[in-house]
Amino acid sequence: NAGVTQTPKFRVLKTGQSMTLLCAQDMNHEYMYWYRQDPGMGLRLIHYSVGEGTTAKGEVPDGYNVSRLKKQNFLLGLESAAPSQTSVYFCASSRDSLRGETQYFGPGTRLLVL
Amino acid sequence: AQTVTQSQPEMSVQEAETVTLSCTYDTSENNYYLFWYKQPPSRQMILVIRQEAYKQQNATENRFSVNFQKAAKSFSLKISDSQLGDTAMYFCAFIPTGANSKLTFGKGITLSVRP
Repeated sequence: NAGVTQTPKFRVLKTGQSMTLLCAQDMNHEYMYWYRQDPGMGLRLIHYSVGEGTTAKGEVPDGYNVSRLKKQNFLLGLESAAPSQTSVYFCASSRDSLRGETQYFGPGTRLLVL
Repeated sequence: AQTVTQSQPEMSVQEAETVTLSCTYDTSENNYYLFWYKQPPSRQMILVIRQEAYKQQNATENRFSVNFQKAAKSFSLKISDSQLGDTAMYFCAFIPTGANSKLTFGKGITLSVRP
């Protein structure tokens, strides 16, 4: 089992460019999440999904869109990148949230927006 | 809304010694779960320990144990026999039970283990 994988590992963008981050999990988890990590801020939830075809906003959703067309994949899109979106992005998955199921994290994607 | 506070931004410990990392949280929920995650320099988030709030017994995983004080809303992590590989950032996190519940993280604490 690969667990949770993220593509790419590192990317540099210019302001205004767009890109998509891909998250894949092979644990048959229903729930998937996108977080961003900034220095001194911990991890903050951007968007999440409670099943195939569903998405919902988290704490900091502005400037991002997501899609969950397949159960195993969760895509995070930046339509017009801004320097404020320079961050490390983590994807995570869990069976559900009913009983505090553990979230398993991917290795992260470092994004630099110039 | 839930909040998780890790008031110590950095700590240092000598190899083989014991260290305790503090975490407090604020919630009106009665049923919830608490976690400690470790993030080494590789950036990978690794689950260290998980505690169910309705269980009186403190969770333990090898050298890692917690002191869970529900009334005080405190959830500290004790690392015994510290090893160089324990050098990492540690995050405390909270999630209430229920569908669509979200994990709330503290800001983290950087732990350095000195040889």
